[in-house]
Amino acid sequence: AQRVTQPEKLLSVFKGAPVELKCNYSYSGSPELFWYVQYSRQRLQLLLRHISRESIKGFTADLNKGETSFHLKKPFAQEEDSAMYYCALRGSGAGSYQLTFGKGTKLSVIP
Amino acid sequence: GAGVSQTPSNKVTEKGKYVELRCDPISGHTALYWYRQSLGQGPEFLIYFQGTGAADDSGLPNDRFFAVRPEGSVSTLKIQRTERGDSAVYLCASSAGLAFTYNEQFFGPGTRLTVL
Repeated sequence: AQRVTQPEKLLSVFKGAPVELKCNYSYSGSPELFWYVQYSRQRLQLLLRHISRESIKGFTADLNKGETSFHLKKPFAQEEDSAMYYCALRGSGAGSYQLTFGKGTKLSVIP
Repeated sequence: GAGVSQTPSNKVTEKGKYVELRCDPISGHTALYWYRQSLGQGPEFLIYFQGTGAADDSGLPNDRFFAVRPEGSVSTLKIQRTERGDSAVYLCASSAGLAFTYNEQFFGPGTRLTVL
């Protein structure tokens, strides 16, 4: 079975401070990991995926297979980063298409 | 272009009633997914369509839930004999191409179902 754990329901940081949203997963194979974001009154949207290894809106995430983690980081938080963040996993191989989500972390950036 | 749309945006019903939730995917997307998001939880997979057929319905909680996609575009999620525990936001997503090569899932705004 695959599982995604986001240990923090709420994370509050001051503007300009570093941000780290934690995500740990459980999966027997080689998963694909994603971060989705939902801004207030907007729909869920993809922020980044580990395969692309890119930085989106200043956020990065590195897949650590040894620690089974995929933490989301940003060096300097901005007010517009306030949102709900979900870590998600997709299994490998044919037939692996459904996403398994964590419960989400609400990020609040204090001005 | 237009994104995934879902109707209604809100649905309030009474326990025991039947409801239908509609999803219009992005034009040309062959894959369609339904998820359910209960309060304080992340989205949970319900069912996946590739074209007209349900390729995986393992996430449907019981036989009161059923979904169709007769022409490979619009999908309807049907819930019979609703229960208070069915109250949640029902999300639809669509993606292009075949599912075994990952294509981004684009989500709709959701339908908030409340069962009184």
